[in-house]
Amino acid sequence: EIVLTQSPGTLSLSPGERATLSCRASQSVSSSYLAWYQQKPGQAPRLLIYGASSRATGIPDRFSGSGSGTDFTLTISRLEPEDFAVYYCQQYGSSPPRTFGQGTKVEIK
Amino acid sequence: QLQLQESGPGLVKPSETLSLTCTVSGGSISSSSYYWGWIRQPPGKGLEWIGSIYYSGSTYYNPSLKSRVTISVDTSKNQFSLKLSSVTAADTAVYYCARAGYCTNGVCPLRYWGQGTLVTVSS
Repeated sequence: EIVLTQSPGTLSLSPGERATLSCRASQSVSSSYLAWYQQKPGQAPRLLIYGASSRATGIPDRFSGSGSGTDFTLTISRLEPEDFAVYYCQQYGSSPPRTFGQGTKVEIK
Repeated sequence: QLQLQESGPGLVKPSETLSLTCTVSGGSISSSSYYWGWIRQPPGKGLEWIGSIYYSGSTYYNPSLKSRVTISVDTSKNQFSLKLSSVTAADTAVYYCARAGYCTNGVCPLRYWGQGTLVTVSS
């Protein structure tokens, strides 16, 4: 089972600032099958990034993903008020389980 | 636009079987290109992948739950279902159904999600 470790646990930033979220895998994620989801309170997760760096339809270009192997990053170039949420990474390329990271909360400073 | 809606009892007694259904609208569950999955989230905690099913009937389960989980598809009703047996308080969670999308070589993340339903295990 691939274990995903996200850091930091909480990120306190102001609107307009840049957010950098990390996701580290316990073993290489095949073919960069790594996704990022955003979850707001009381809502289902929303897919932001798949294939490590491809944006899902309708996702603003301030969201970008990068990385390969065991180290992946989600960057939000300039935080908008609606971006304050919890973000999860997920690997979906290996044999089950298709594990999630424990999440990073981006909160308003 | 594809929509998914979970339904089922909100309260289940310990040792009993949790049963949930996901009704799909705006698309056919018979698509051979995608898989359908269940994910859960205990209150205040992170996401846990439960398992998935393809139209072919192939299923994949989280090894930690495999002995208690069954996922099935009912194409006549455009639904798929989750059964989790011998539940305990640790199974209390919001349960989400989802469908894959953006597949590459048949490998896909979860693109569409239901709104989730809270299931509490308590006597």
